[in-house]
Amino acid sequence: SQQGEEDPQALSIQEGENATMNCSYKTSINNLQWYRQNSGRGLVHLILIRSNEREKHSGRLRVTLDTSKKSSSLLITASRAADTASYFCATPGSLYNTDKLIFGTGTRLQVFP
Amino acid sequence: GAVVSQHPSWVICKSGTSVKIECRSLDFQATTMFWYRQFPKQSLMLMATSNEGSKATYEQGVEKDKFLINHASLTLSTLTVTSAHPEDSSFYICSASGGPGYTFGSGTRLTVV
Repeated sequence: SQQGEEDPQALSIQEGENATMNCSYKTSINNLQWYRQNSGRGLVHLILIRSNEREKHSGRLRVTLDTSKKSSSLLITASRAADTASYFCATPGSLYNTDKLIFGTGTRLQVFP
Repeated sequence: GAVVSQHPSWVICKSGTSVKIECRSLDFQATTMFWYRQFPKQSLMLMATSNEGSKATYEQGVEKDKFLINHASLTLSTLTVTSAHPEDSSFYICSASGGPGYTFGSGTRLTVV
């Protein structure tokens, strides 16, 4: 399977704490994306990082990418109860088929008020 | 922003019947539509990719005669689950490219009884 692995599978924290989730993937990529999914809903795009970038920020989100280790991390700082959701990394099907997205196994984040 | 409208949001059907799920891109032309399936607390698994006016490309292990995909126009793609069985109960999500990045529908929860 091409599917990437994410850890932890589940994470529970208090509001105000930081949440870090990791993604490992299997094939060479030219970009990696992170998505958020509220329970029973569609996906919302959070951030895209290209293979020539090592770190990217967007508001309270910080994403890193290490292509040598085929891994990425998503850090949510100063978490809020509204951040409770599942988070998925996604990579293109291949370097030559960038159309389809392959999703990681996901991390379920619970932020307690 | 780009919006994909997916209907129905939930459906309950009897075993042996067929169910059609629609995804419409409201403000852009969806040149490619991706259909995913998601089991509870699991990741999205790509079922098939469809380009407007062409036959869908199915992922390995997905029965094309059971999951019929039609992408007859640039704004509409449909997934029909034929002769549904309880094991087809799942959350189905479409994703369209052609707008900015990928735009996801809100998902359809199918329950086969």
